Amino acid sequence: GAGVSQTPSNKVTEKGKYVELRCDPISGHTALYWYRQSLGQGPEFLIYFQGTGAADDSGLPNDRFFAVRPEGSVSTLKIQRTERGDSAVYLCASSLQSRGQGVTGELFFGEGSRLTVL
Amino acid sequence: EDKVVQSPLSLVVHEGDTVTLNCSYEVTNFRSLLWYKQEKKAPTFLFMLTSSGIEKKSGRLSSILDKKELFSILNITATQTGDSAVYLCAVRTNAGKSTFGDGTTLTVKP
Repeated sequence: GAGVSQTPSNKVTEKGKYVELRCDPISGHTALYWYRQSLGQGPEFLIYFQGTGAADDSGLPNDRFFAVRPEGSVSTLKIQRTERGDSAVYLCASSLQSRGQGVTGELFFGEGSRLTVL
Repeated sequence: EDKVVQSPLSLVVHEGDTVTLNCSYEVTNFRSLLWYKQEKKAPTFLFMLTSSGIEKKSGRLSSILDKKELFSILNITATQTGDSAVYLCAVRTNAGKSTFGDGTTLTVKP
């Protein structure tokens, strides 16, 4: 597609439920990132993929959070047993490549998925 | 742990004023520093800086990096109401990870 697409744009769930957030990156972008943003704060790094593999998952807050990118394109962020503190906007971004010369390394962001846990 | 600190947290000015936004960082294996503008939802790219002392310029916006003192500034001259946004600074490592600051919220009043 023309840009990074995230679905759903809004998700309201109850405490304890399971949620999946989907990200469809720009075609050809090998690097994909997940961030979480709370009101008044900057994007907080969660995980980044280079191709199909997670190159760095140091930002995942605990084992309730998991992300996959099985074919090196679409990624899904999965949150088990949601808690009220998980409420935030989850941003996905993609980049042409994360290493090498000749590229700016800029991230192209989607519009985010706003998660509200009641 | 990689760290990016932006100041001020918020700023209110009038149209025509000049503003300077600050970003300091501590990161291992620094690759580049990037500035983004976030108006509603998705941050959009402004500049990438990799070398000290070389100013990047785009219209009324400019930015410079000091790799010795580990900071960058973003200048906006002759501000307009359309410049109102959150300005985010991010530092990218050689491994590809980007760490963001909490942003500076700029409000430009008519």
